[in-house]
Amino acid sequence: DAGVIQSPRHEVTEMGQEVTLRCKPISGHNSLFWYRQTMMRGLELLIYFNNNVPIDDSGMPEDRFSAKMPNASFSTLKIQPSEPRDSAVYFCASSWSGRGFHEQYFGPGTRLTVT
Amino acid sequence: AQTVTQSQPEMSVQEAETVTLSCTYDTSENNYYLFWYKQPPSRQMILVIRQEAYKQQNATENRFSVNFQKAAKSFSLKISDSQLGDTAMYFCAFMNPQNIQGAQKLVFGQGTRLTINP
Repeated sequence: DAGVIQSPRHEVTEMGQEVTLRCKPISGHNSLFWYRQTMMRGLELLIYFNNNVPIDDSGMPEDRFSAKMPNASFSTLKIQPSEPRDSAVYFCASSWSGRGFHEQYFGPGTRLTVT
Repeated sequence: AQTVTQSQPEMSVQEAETVTLSCTYDTSENNYYLFWYKQPPSRQMILVIRQEAYKQQNATENRFSVNFQKAAKSFSLKISDSQLGDTAMYFCAFMNPQNIQGAQKLVFGQGTRLTINP
């Protein structure tokens, strides 16, 4: 398996532009998580989906952020308009959800820089 | 809400030495999972070791072991015979396995930057 795939790996954009981050979870996994990593706040969960349905988006910073999961093999995280404080590494992770423990597998992350 | 605290922002040891990273957490749950993740310069998050709270025996994975003290809510990671490749950020994480609507989210500590010197 190729693991969790994220694109792009790096994104540099100007303030005010729309940014779309993409994630392909591991085939067969039915839970998907978006995390953001910054020096100030560490790793924080933004939103997670189960069976393509958003379960908890309480970590989404504000209305400029939105996430979708139109099918089991694809998710997007969109920032519109972007601001310099959105600069961070964004991770996508996936797992199988069911009884007991199931490891979350992380993608390589997208480093976003907003100038 | 659960919180995870790592009180050591940075640590540095010589190759082949043993190093212990500290982690404390706060929860009212009785059953949960605890993890240590490694993040090398490549940014990839790698699961190092996990511990189920209902198990009294400390988990071990080769050179990595934990000291789980449930009453004290402490979960430290010991790396024996440290290697240059162990240089990374290490994150302690908590998971409540209560399968609310079928997903299990992780709560991370702030991380400890570990450097292994030759």
